Amino acid sequence: KAGVTQTPRYLIKTRGQQVTLSCSPISGHRSVSWYQQTPGQGLQFLFEYFSETQRNKGNFPGRFSGRQFSNSRSEMNVSTLELGDSALYLCASSRGGADTQYFGPGTRLTVL
Amino acid sequence: DQQVKQNSPSLSVQEGRISILNCDYTNSMFDYFLWYKKYPAEGPTFLISISSIKDKNEDGRFTVFLNKSAKHLSLHIVPSQPGDSAVYFCAASGDQGTGGSEKLVFGKGTKLTVNP
Repeated sequence: KAGVTQTPRYLIKTRGQQVTLSCSPISGHRSVSWYQQTPGQGLQFLFEYFSETQRNKGNFPGRFSGRQFSNSRSEMNVSTLELGDSALYLCASSRGGADTQYFGPGTRLTVL
Repeated sequence: DQQVKQNSPSLSVQEGRISILNCDYTNSMFDYFLWYKKYPAEGPTFLISISSIKDKNEDGRFTVFLNKSAKHLSLHIVPSQPGDSAVYFCAASGDQGTGGSEKLVFGKGTKLTVNP
């Protein structure tokens, strides 16, 4: 069974631009969660989607948004990029409920 | 307020010995705990989990112990191997009854180095 895939793996943007990251979950998984990893803050929860509905949201500004499609693939969008948005963005999928989340390799975003 | 704490940023162990990684939590609503292993530039890899109804779970060389009264869990790796060298994250979640995955709250990680 293929794992969680994320595209692109690396991205360089400049301040003020916007970016869209993509995540394809493990086949059969309906829940997709997004996390941001930075050296100072560790892994922080952004939001979670289940059956195209946002179920949970972390403490991030409205510039961070996401969506999930009917095939469970998910996208995350960050608008008006700031230098502090430079991070590794991780996507995790699960079947839902109290099920283990499996992570993709991440997208390394650098904002210049 | 950090709800999940890994107080040791690093740990160095000799090959063949036991590695013990510790994690403390403050939120009594957490009822599911996981350990992930992470190499640089890769996503976390799931290692082992434990539900709050248990106090121990074993999987090969990995054992997780949960002490609910102390709000403490630990991961034991026996015997430790050089390939175990990585950053280990403790994570916790609580039943939010939403029908979707509960969000994971992570500790900041412990870097384990196993020396040959």
